[in-house]
Amino acid sequence: EDQVTQSPEALRLQEGESSSLNCSYTVSGLRGLFWYRQDPGKGPEFLFTLYSAGEEKEKERLKATLTKKESFLHITAPKPEDSATYLCAVLITTSGTYKYIFGTGTRLKVLA
Amino acid sequence: DADVTQTPRNRITKTGKRIMLECSQTKGHDRMYWYRQDPGLGLRLIYYSFDVKDINKGEISDGYSVSRQAQAKFSLSLESAIPNQTALYFCATSESRGGSNTGELFFGEGSRLTVL
Repeated sequence: EDQVTQSPEALRLQEGESSSLNCSYTVSGLRGLFWYRQDPGKGPEFLFTLYSAGEEKEKERLKATLTKKESFLHITAPKPEDSATYLCAVLITTSGTYKYIFGTGTRLKVLA
Repeated sequence: DADVTQTPRNRITKTGKRIMLECSQTKGHDRMYWYRQDPGLGLRLIYYSFDVKDINKGEISDGYSVSRQAQAKFSLSLESAIPNQTALYFCATSESRGGSNTGELFFGEGSRLTVL
């Protein structure tokens, strides 16, 4: 069964305390992996797309990496405004069509 | 203005009522989606449409119907709302590139529906 698992479910960091969020996947026909940020009561906001193992993308304090089994979202020296839920999703081909599978997210809280 | 606009943003209704959630987009994308988000379950696909004449069921389509009125408009209907349809609903769009789909989803701000 195609599956995406994110860990941890929740994470509390002090401002400036770097850490990583994990997204592991068991799928066939991977076409891409996506990271989103979601603030409470808002729609997910696109952050990164990764297409192949070894690929890395960076944006401000965030860096996403991809291997054949998982992706990491590294947060360097986080600030309180980085507090949000981070969602991971994979795009796969299945039965002649495309399908996005989402993880349940990691709720990040950065304390001042 | 948002690229993907959902209306209403919040709605409280009673069991058995018919509800329509509307979505319009200015991104020019041909592919549109309706997702439902529940705590601990993540985003689940209700229906999707790859163009105006194409409608497909997602993993949780029972109790829902959709209409693609134009390339930019995609509405979701609950014919007879029930309490377990209380959730946060998102419309999303994506771009097809050469007939394939490799791109990210762009989401609206969400419609919070409460069924009493």
